[in-house]
Amino acid sequence: AQSVTQLDSQVPVFEEAPVELRCNYSSSVSVYLFWYVQYPNQGLQLLLKYLSGSTLVESINGFEAEFNKSQTSFHLRKPSVHISDTAEYFCAVTRGGGATNKLIFGTGTLLAVQP
Amino acid sequence: NAGVTQTPKFRVLKTGQSMTLLCAQDMNHEYMYWYRQDPGMGLRLIHYSVGEGTTAKGEVPDGYNVSRLKKQNFLLGLESAAPSQTSVYFCASSLRDRRNEQFFGPGTRLTVL
Repeated sequence: AQSVTQLDSQVPVFEEAPVELRCNYSSSVSVYLFWYVQYPNQGLQLLLKYLSGSTLVESINGFEAEFNKSQTSFHLRKPSVHISDTAEYFCAVTRGGGATNKLIFGTGTLLAVQP
Repeated sequence: NAGVTQTPKFRVLKTGQSMTLLCAQDMNHEYMYWYRQDPGMGLRLIHYSVGEGTTAKGEVPDGYNVSRLKKQNFLLGLESAAPSQTSVYFCASSLRDRRNEQFFGPGTRLTVL
C-alpha cells in the first residue's frame, strides 16, 4: 500500500521569498505523484504531476517538483512566491501503470504568504 | 463547461436526519468519487464509481450510500446523520484513460448537530 507524508502543516513565508513544501511517500511499487492546490473555499485543482520521464516537472504558475526515487520524495518548490499563492497544498500518490484510480492524499500544507 | 458542480453548498442537519448530496459533471467522465476532508487528515475516499450503475467502497464508506443512475450524476446519501459526519465533502471525476487526473467540485460543508 502507498502512503504520503507532508511534514509541515503550515509554512509561513514572506512575499518574493523562495519556498519548499516537503512530500515523502512510501511504496513498494512504482508510483505516480501529484500536487494539488486548494484556494480558500474552493475545491482542489491539479497543480502538477509526475507519471514518467523527466523527474523535474513544472506548473504554469512557476511551481516545480522533482521526483527523487532514492529519497522517496516529491518536494514542491517556487523561487519567488506571491500573495496569491496562499493556499493549501496536497501531495498525492497512486500506484504507477494506471492500474488503479485511487489517489492517496497527504494531510496538506498551508502556505501562508505574508507581505 | 461547468465542470464538476455540487449541491448544496452548505447544510446543517440534526443527528438522525437524512440527506442526499448531488454531484454533477458535464465532461463525460467515466469515473466519479466522493471524498471527505477533515482538518489534519487530508482527503479520504468514501465511495467511487467506475461507470453508470456501478459503485465501490473507498477508505471510509461506513454510514454512507451512493448511487450512479446516470453517467453525469453521483449521489451521496446519509441515512442517519451523526456528528462524526460533520465535514467538507468533495466530489471528483476523471476520464477512464486518465483516471489519476481528478477534477474536483467546490465542496459541500455539512454540519451535524
